[in-house]
Amino acid sequence: KNQVEQSPQSLIILEGKNCTLQCNYTVSPFSNLRWYKQDTGRGPVSLTIMTFSENTKSNGRYTATLDADTKQSSLHITASQLSDSASYICVVSADYGNNRLAFGKGNQVVVIP
Amino acid sequence: DADVTQTPRNRITKTGKRIMLECSQTKGHDRMYWYRQDPGLGLRLIYYSFDVKDINKGEISDGYSVSRQAQAKFSLSLESAIPNQTALYFCATSDLQGPTETQYFGPGTRLLVL
Repeated sequence: KNQVEQSPQSLIILEGKNCTLQCNYTVSPFSNLRWYKQDTGRGPVSLTIMTFSENTKSNGRYTATLDADTKQSSLHITASQLSDSASYICVVSADYGNNRLAFGKGNQVVVIP
Repeated sequence: DADVTQTPRNRITKTGKRIMLECSQTKGHDRMYWYRQDPGLGLRLIYYSFDVKDINKGEISDGYSVSRQAQAKFSLSLESAIPNQTALYFCATSDLQGPTETQYFGPGTRLLVL
């Protein structure tokens, strides 16, 4: 069964600090990996998407990395802001074009002043 | 205006009642999806559609049905609601464009079945 595991489950950080979220997957064959941000009470919004050949991608203060050999990804948040408080969901596509998506349970991040 | 809208945003119903959740999109996408999200669990796919009249079961389709009569609309029905269908429901759309297809989610419908 394809699985996506995220850690830590939850994280509290001080405003202005950096943090890194981890995603390990066993999905095969691998097509792409996406990170979504989900604010409380809202739908998920795409932050980054990476294919097999990409090992890093940035979106503002968010930087995602991918190691397809070890099947690991990370999302780094730089200089966190209160608005970064959200759940960050790692989603791995197993089969291009056929909607075989495996969702992680999310990393819950709380940024405090 | 939002590209993907869901109605209602909140709904309370009783066990055994039939309810319908609606999803509309203005993105012109062919692909539409229904997911449910429960606390502590990841999003789980209920049904998806790649075109009008095309219906495909997802991971957890039992107890649900869907209808795709138009490109812009995808409705989810609970024929006889039960308490364990209490959850947050999301509709999503996507337009296949290479290996970086992205799903765009609606704001969600919070459903409580008593």
